[in-house]
Amino acid sequence: NAGVMQNPRHLVRRRGQEARLRCSPMKGHSHVYWYRQLPEEGLKFMVYLQKENIIDESGMPKERFSAEFPKEGPSILRIQQVVRGDSAAYFCASSPTGGSTDTQYFGPGTRLTVL
Amino acid sequence: AQSVAQPEDQVNVAEGNPLTVKCTYSVSGNPYLFWYVQYPNRGLQFLLKYITGDNLVKGSYGFEAEFNKSQTSFHLKKPSALVSDSALYFCAVRDVGNTPLVFGKGTRLSVIA
Repeated sequence: NAGVMQNPRHLVRRRGQEARLRCSPMKGHSHVYWYRQLPEEGLKFMVYLQKENIIDESGMPKERFSAEFPKEGPSILRIQQVVRGDSAAYFCASSPTGGSTDTQYFGPGTRLTVL
Repeated sequence: AQSVAQPEDQVNVAEGNPLTVKCTYSVSGNPYLFWYVQYPNRGLQFLLKYITGDNLVKGSYGFEAEFNKSQTSFHLKKPSALVSDSALYFCAVRDVGNTPLVFGKGTRLSVIA
């Protein structure tokens, strides 16, 4: 029973390029959450999605960042025109129902380095 | 808005001794509280959660946590620490109404043989 999968595990981009991070939730989970972790910091919520819907994007920067969770395929976090400050670990989590008492299960993360 | 505080950046404990990792929270309603552990270059692994009921919650790998409403705390405990418990521990809280999960900054636990 595969857990949450994320790829790539490591991503290097130069300033101004686009970064595309993928997340496949656990089997049977239709709710996906993206978090960002800066060095020596806790995780900060970015966005919560269901299939084909963005439910809460209150933690998402207003520019350059977007997320989607299509009917088929993984959830994608896209960062356009990356800057050095975008360097971080990006984690995806999934849960079965999205309820407040649900446990969120995390993937291994994508570590983005912007040169 | 909800918040979590982990007052200790680092906790050192000798192998075999009991360990405690502290967490306090602030929410407007009833809290849903979680503990996760992160090993180097890995994702977060779920340890346990408090939703309602018994204040003492038992979780994975021998860990437990005690919910104390009057002190707004949810400290993580283990009776006998192992070297393999050395990792980064995160407390998180969620309020009712599908609000985001809010994490503390983490506490690095070091268990010394």
